[in-house]
Amino acid sequence: DAGVTQSPTHLIKTRGQQVTLRCSPISGHKSVSWYQQVLGQGPQFIFQYYEKEERGRGNFPDRFSARQFPNYSSELNVNALLLGDSALYLCASSLEWLQEGQPQHFGDGTRLSIL
Amino acid sequence: AQSVTQLGSHVSVSEGALVLLRCNYSSSVPPYLFWYVQYPNQGLQLLLKYTSAATLVKGINGFEAEFKKSETSFHLTKPSAHMSDAAEYFCAVSDLNQAGTALIFGKGTTLSVSS
Repeated sequence: DAGVTQSPTHLIKTRGQQVTLRCSPISGHKSVSWYQQVLGQGPQFIFQYYEKEERGRGNFPDRFSARQFPNYSSELNVNALLLGDSALYLCASSLEWLQEGQPQHFGDGTRLSIL
Repeated sequence: AQSVTQLGSHVSVSEGALVLLRCNYSSSVPPYLFWYVQYPNQGLQLLLKYTSAATLVKGINGFEAEFKKSETSFHLTKPSAHMSDAAEYFCAVSDLNQAGTALIFGKGTTLSVSS
């Protein structure tokens, strides 16, 4: 079975531009979460989506937005890119939400570099 | 808010030696704890999880972790290190709230294994 897939794997943008990252969850998983991992740090929670609705949001500015589609895939959008947005963006999927102790399964991430 | 602290950003061991990676959590309620491993240029892979069923949890690749409530700790161990264990290790706590189930990660510990 395919794991969590993310595209593209690498992306280079300039300041002020906009970017869209894509994620396909494991088959049967209904919840998708997004994390930002800056070099040398642990991942930080950005969003969780379930059944096409935002269910959780981390401490990120409104420049960050996301959505989930009927097939449970998801997109993360970032507007007005800043140098500080350079990071590895990880997508994780899980079977449900609000289910205690369920693990999240991660993709290999999209490496975003801002010039 | 829940949090985890990983003591030691870098741990170096010889091949065949004991591996001990430290994690302490801060939680007012019984937590759900996880250890993940990240190899270079990859996403996070789940090693093991604690969900209150047993205090000693066995994971993949010979790793295990013991939950100690009195010490608020969830340290990761492996009796004998292999070269292939060299990677970044993250401890995480599941922050279950009415909005979702975000994972809160520590800053990570880099494990180096020498021959």
